[in-house]
Amino acid sequence: AQKVTQAQTEISVVEKEDVTLDCVYETRDTTYYLFWYKQPPSGELVFLIRRNSFDEQNEISGRYSWNFQKSTSSFNFTITASQVVDSAVYFCALSIPYSGAGSYQLTFGKGTKLSVIP
Amino acid sequence: AAGVIQSPRHLIKEKRETATLKCYPIPRHDTVYWYQQGPGQDPQFLISFYEKMQSDKGSIPDRFSAQQFSDYHSELNMSSLELGDSALYFCASSFILSSQETQYFGPGTRLLVL
Repeated sequence: AQKVTQAQTEISVVEKEDVTLDCVYETRDTTYYLFWYKQPPSGELVFLIRRNSFDEQNEISGRYSWNFQKSTSSFNFTITASQVVDSAVYFCALSIPYSGAGSYQLTFGKGTKLSVIP
Repeated sequence: AAGVIQSPRHLIKEKRETATLKCYPIPRHDTVYWYQQGPGQDPQFLISFYEKMQSDKGSIPDRFSAQQFSDYHSELNMSSLELGDSALYFCASSFILSSQETQYFGPGTRLLVL
């Protein structure tokens, strides 16, 4: 069975501070995908990034960066110079590609609520 | 770019009533997923369809059923509604055969059972 742990339930930062959201995952499969989704107060789930288990290259997209480390089973997310619009619940998720099953259901962590204070 | 469409966006029902939620996936996507998110909870996988066939089943109550139609839209049917069914229901779609398989979520249907 798969498991995703987001130990930080809530984080508050002052605008322009950097913040890192932690994600630790568990799986026995050697091939898997990791995701981050953002859920703003309006409720929709917005896809941010997808990482394959065989690609440990870190990624930067504007103020967002992701650090994937298989050795520690972690996929952490950093927001640089946070803004009020970053206030949301952030979910880390894992999926296992079962060959032929036609389903890559997502297992989500409990989410981290980020509040950015002006 | 076209996104996943869900209808209705909000729904209020009484206990023991029936509800039908609809999902229209992104064009050319071949897989549809349904998730349930209770208040303050993470989304929980209910069921999925690949090429109009049920492909996986999660924690979906027996009172719920779903199907995917020839035009790839999907419907989640919920009967004998209970107070605990109040939640945000998401539909997501993806293109399984793509090397960049990613689930894109609709805006959700917020169901309130009174």
